Amino acid sequence: GAVVSQHPSWVICKSGTSVKIECRSLDFQATTMFWYRQFPKQSLMLMATSNEGSKATYEQGVEKDKFLINHASLTLSTLTVTSAHPEDSSFYICSARDPGLAGRNEQFFGPGTRLTVL
Amino acid sequence: GENVEQHPSTLSVQEGDSAVIKCTYSDSASNYFPWYKQELGKRPQLIIDIRSNVGEKKDQRIAVTLNKTAKHFSLHITETQPEDSAVYFCAAQLNFGNEKLTFGTGTRLTIIP
Repeated sequence: GAVVSQHPSWVICKSGTSVKIECRSLDFQATTMFWYRQFPKQSLMLMATSNEGSKATYEQGVEKDKFLINHASLTLSTLTVTSAHPEDSSFYICSARDPGLAGRNEQFFGPGTRLTVL
Repeated sequence: GENVEQHPSTLSVQEGDSAVIKCTYSDSASNYFPWYKQELGKRPQLIIDIRSNVGEKKDQRIAVTLNKTAKHFSLHITETQPEDSAVYFCAAQLNFGNEKLTFGTGTRLTIIP
């Protein structure tokens, strides 16, 4: 199946700094990617929909100025957590659907990025 | 928007027995329902999915049933094995054009050897 990668797999940063997470579709082009956040023992919560060449669509309650999303190419979306605080510590996961798989709705997930803010 | 509820939150099953996890959704326009298995610290892995034009789908020990009228769908795992222990999430997608998935709250399944 289609492969989605994320980098880094884990990151530790100081409070107040910014962290960038990359999500790449390795063998397909994705016009749309999705960013999720997952706190321990909780479900995946959609943060935003990343659209190639246009602005991201954020879910209610997600601060767009704090979680900057850039989808500059058909294979790369980035999420930047600006001025990170300990409450931003979470597991961040991206996903994408391969439009080349006609008739299939399946979304492929990246391996996730564990962010710890000290 | 769509709301997906999932029960139970935890489930312990003796090895070899069956496990059933149930989900309900709120928006009748949802037409795609995947189930994911997630191990600790790993990405969700699709184990089975079903579209709204189908009532049941089976893949070896795993099956999913969908009742559109009642807006609920269920995951059935038969002949459970220790490696089935994980957290399972159901999800619903509103329509094909909008690919956004809404996830259930998850079920921690433990298979007792």
